[in-house]
Amino acid sequence: GAGVSQSPRYKVAKRGQDVALRCDPISGHVSLFWYQQALGQGPEFLTYFQNEAQLDKSGLPSDRFFAERPEGSVSTLKIQRTQQEDSAVYLCASTASGTALASYEQYFGPGTRLTVT
Amino acid sequence: AQSVAQPEDQVNVAEGNPLTVKCTYSVSGNPYLFWYVQYPNRGLQFLLKYITGDNLVKGSYGFEAEFNKSQTSFHLKKPSALVSDSALYFCAVEGIRGGKLIFGQGTELSVKP
Repeated sequence: GAGVSQSPRYKVAKRGQDVALRCDPISGHVSLFWYQQALGQGPEFLTYFQNEAQLDKSGLPSDRFFAERPEGSVSTLKIQRTQQEDSAVYLCASTASGTALASYEQYFGPGTRLTVT
Repeated sequence: AQSVAQPEDQVNVAEGNPLTVKCTYSVSGNPYLFWYVQYPNRGLQFLLKYITGDNLVKGSYGFEAEFNKSQTSFHLKKPSALVSDSALYFCAVEGIRGGKLIFGQGTELSVKP
């Protein structure tokens, strides 16, 4: 069906506000990844889910960042008390692989551009 | 730690000429290498990957990449560039723990008519 979708596409938050970013992966895709892409940089890994299990959260920059995927499909990335350095594009990707092997290409959503003022 | 480097921030090519976008890698073990392309306001699109086998990998839109173990390189190539190839290109390697991708800084390709 459709590709990976993300919402909202653009989000402006005042410093200190909480935000929630949504990712709808390709139907049936087992693995889901979140990446952060700062302006002029390559994407950087944040966290990874296999179904509903969060298997790797080593890239989350602080405890203000929290991700969940409670039913193994849609995922939400939440950022509490946003700071200016959180301004970036947040990309979600999914893959059919259940073993998290990168030999299966990741399909990326269009991203959510977060601007913290 | 796994890493990739893209030494050129920007590559300029005339339409119809061959193009090369460079990537070098540093990994422990056998590398899984990828190229992705990013158009403005759109997500990354997969171009090609090297897992094992032939050093020359063919991908989408006429792109190919050559894996060179001795030079630890994985350069992206296309024999004849199109204006529509103008975009941001990212080289990536699989992380040690599997699955996640570690990206280079990106190279902006500009193809002029």
